[in-house]
Amino acid sequence: DTAVSQTPKYLVTQMGNDKSIKCEQNLGHDTMYWYKQDSKKFLKIMFSYNNKELIINETVPNRFSPKSPDKAHLNLHINSLELGDSAVYFCASSRNGGNRAGELFFGEGSRLTVL
Amino acid sequence: AQSVTQLGSHVSVSEGALVLLRCNYSSSVPPYLFWYVQYPNQGLQLLLKYTSAATLVKGINGFEAEFKKSETSFHLTKPSAHMSDAAEYFCAVRLNTNAGKSTFGDGTTLTVKP
Repeated sequence: DTAVSQTPKYLVTQMGNDKSIKCEQNLGHDTMYWYKQDSKKFLKIMFSYNNKELIINETVPNRFSPKSPDKAHLNLHINSLELGDSAVYFCASSRNGGNRAGELFFGEGSRLTVL
Repeated sequence: AQSVTQLGSHVSVSEGALVLLRCNYSSSVPPYLFWYVQYPNQGLQLLLKYTSAATLVKGINGFEAEFKKSETSFHLTKPSAHMSDAAEYFCAVRLNTNAGKSTFGDGTTLTVKP
């Protein structure tokens, strides 16, 4: 059973389109995140949800809209895709208490290519 | 505020040699520090973490790191490199272990030569 799973793994689309990436975790974690990894492998946090509540919203264009329907799911919708949105998007989750608190568990990533 | 700096974007070692990957942090409060590893086309996985207990932390795959407050460092070491250690390594800092954010360094690519 995959702990943090993302779909799709690969996404190729045209500029101006709208696309979504879905994430699910079966670890019972309280907090979920979206990170963006660019072509130089730099990792930047985009959003974080704690128990379905948005708690971190970094400087991200409002074309990006996260949604957390429940604690186990966090989706990312992107409107009007631009070339610069091409990247690998990682979903992650973490526990809020206990001896593994703060450790991030990552999905395998969703590679988005905008043509 | 929190940040990490990884010195050396590329490190190359011979198989069997010492691995040393450097990380310096900046934090307004006592930090929690992590090392993650990323193999090609995969997500990141935790190697080890420091959460204010022992300053020398042991992780998976024979890696360890030492927290040095006076030097604001958390360097990662492994006595003897293996070919399978070739990967991207990221240092990360976090101000708390609850619903906060982890800030990552720019990563270090480790190459292991036969």
